[in-house]
Amino acid sequence: GDKVKQSPSALSLQEGTNSALRCNFSIAATTVQWFLQNPRGSLMNLFYLVPGTKENGRLKSAFDSKESYSTLHIRDAQLEDSGTYFCAAEASNTNKVVFGTGTRLQVLP
Amino acid sequence: EAAVTQSPRNKVAVTGGKVTLSCNQTNNHNNMYWYRQDTGHGLRLIHYSYGAGSTEKGDIPDGYKASRPSQENFSLILELATPSQTSVYFCASARRDSAETLYFGSGTRLTVL
Repeated sequence: GDKVKQSPSALSLQEGTNSALRCNFSIAATTVQWFLQNPRGSLMNLFYLVPGTKENGRLKSAFDSKESYSTLHIRDAQLEDSGTYFCAAEASNTNKVVFGTGTRLQVLP
Repeated sequence: EAAVTQSPRNKVAVTGGKVTLSCNQTNNHNNMYWYRQDTGHGLRLIHYSYGAGSTEKGDIPDGYKASRPSQENFSLILELATPSQTSVYFCASARRDSAETLYFGSGTRLTVL
């Protein structure tokens, strides 16, 4: 958890609004992954990133390896976006994938 | 879509008992991982493996052993279960050195009484 810090820890959004989640790394990360854990507990992968950006529908993610952070932007939030978002970094010298403690997102109607 | 299957889905064990959690993946992934998830800690890496016969310590290996007898199977073993090991355990797999994400199983909820 300390090697990958996520912010905010919790967030409430009105449906239709935008937000950004952030991960800061204290390890040298080569790749970053973002996951959404739904209320049933299932973990779904959202993005796998090398340094750069990716976009998928209303989600966009960026990874800056030099500044050691990653962001996940949610546009036009929907009720089904609710859940806990995790980022995970792969350490540069191993295949260890280290997770942050998550951002709990609630989208309100 | 990668398939990772964990068993059992739920387990109740007694303190001092032996518990084995099983994970099977059918996608020929090299790397497999065991995490536990607890409130306030996110997912913490217990053990991982690069392939059959390999096991590596993660960040919190104490009290756990792992076994990778084949490419498809990766087990987590609690020789002497303790109540502090009550948690939800997730197995994941990934291809080695590939631009591909982790694929997770559905989790095993373990309660140690």
